[in-house]
Amino acid sequence: EIVLTQSPATLSLSPGERATLSCRASQSVSSYLAWYQQKPGQAPRLLIYDASNRATGIPARFSGSGSGTDFTLTISSLEPEDFAVYYCQQRSNWPPRVTFGPGTKVDIK
Amino acid sequence: QVQLVQSGAEVKKPGSSVKVSCKASGGTFSSYAISWVRQAPGQGLEWMGGIIPIFGTANYAQKFQGRVTITADESTSTAYMELSSLRSEDTAVYYCARTLGYCSSTSCPNNWFDPWGQGTLVTVSS
Repeated sequence: EIVLTQSPATLSLSPGERATLSCRASQSVSSYLAWYQQKPGQAPRLLIYDASNRATGIPARFSGSGSGTDFTLTISSLEPEDFAVYYCQQRSNWPPRVTFGPGTKVDIK
Repeated sequence: QVQLVQSGAEVKKPGSSVKVSCKASGGTFSSYAISWVRQAPGQGLEWMGGIIPIFGTANYAQKFQGRVTITADESTSTAYMELSSLRSEDTAVYYCARTLGYCSSTSCPNNWFDPWGQGTLVTVSS
């Protein structure tokens, strides 16, 4: 089973700053990686899929990069509504199994 | 725009079972996969399994094999997740989510989750 690790566990930043979140896979997942944002009391929201494609309605300040085992989610300039927990997710094509990373919390410094 | 609406909160005794529903409205149901993801209090996301309704094929995470059953009723665009032999560690919010794109009988290339249901809190307590 592929294991995803995320770093850092917590990122303390101020609005307007750049956020860089990392996700590492225990073996290559090609570009089969997504990122989700979750706010307290809400369901997760898909931000990025296939490593670098923004989902519908996601602002351009969110970008994803990477392939193989190392991936990055970048938020170019933090808005107040971006303070949340971010999860990465990988998928296998068939059978369609899924694993999530443990999450990175972005909080206000 | 498809919406997923889940059934309400449940309180269950240890050893019992729970069945949570997820009804899709406003979009295509059958050719997409529906997955179930749970989140224990203060914890991360955990994929339990999924189903492609048009094929009726379900796949489960190894951790839940033998204890979870995922089914779908195409006629009502509703998916179900039943978890048996409940224990206190199963206390969590259970989410359903649809894949971003279609799945075939042998390929699910868009197994990213969008949209999600609102979540169903299942509390297991004696």
